[in-house]
Amino acid sequence: GAGVSQSPSNKVTEKGKDVELRCDPISGHTALYWYRQSLGQGLEFLIYFQGNSAPDKSGLPSDRFSAERTGGSVSTLTIQRTQQEDSAVYLCASTGGGDEQYFGPGTRLTVT
Amino acid sequence: GQNIDQPTEMTATEGAIVQINCTYQTSGFNGLFWYQQHAGEAPTFLSYNVLDGLEEKGRFSSFLSRSKGYSYLLLKELQMKDSASYLCAVSDGSARQLTFGSGTQLTVLP
Repeated sequence: GAGVSQSPSNKVTEKGKDVELRCDPISGHTALYWYRQSLGQGLEFLIYFQGNSAPDKSGLPSDRFSAERTGGSVSTLTIQRTQQEDSAVYLCASTGGGDEQYFGPGTRLTVT
Repeated sequence: GQNIDQPTEMTATEGAIVQINCTYQTSGFNGLFWYQQHAGEAPTFLSYNVLDGLEEKGRFSSFLSRSKGYSYLLLKELQMKDSASYLCAVSDGSARQLTFGSGTQLTVLP
């Protein structure tokens, strides 16, 4: 089937606005991850969902960031009151029980 | 804490062999991954090592020494399309989170 999909592919927003980023994992994959990648940098872990367990939020940089996963499938990452330092590519990945993470194409967020 | 180090940039010639090193210090260990990422694209999986030794997959091989906290990715018969960033990532033992290094930007010259 299809791979991991993310929407929107690009988002430009004004400082102070809220944004929602969406991730559709591969069907049947139980684990879902959000990462952030700033220009020229490695990936920064944000949050991890595994099945019905409580998410691991240890990577969220501030309380402006939150994420949910409805029905064990689609996930939404919400950033409230965006700041310029939030500008980055936000990547979602999923796994189906193995160790390899399959990444989506990412959402490029630009905060002006 | 978690710390992963890899060179920032490397340059090699088409047809040559290049070795990208990665050293890590992590609180837990459940395997080491190498990903390839072309500019503007998502990372794609290359290899996974959880036991010491060499894993070979076509032109790419990956080596792990857990006692030394060391891995390398070996690329043979380099092609221009191999120009990309190569990310080393370690999975900790608990939640299978991946901690990524900053990536090594490889440029293959004709």
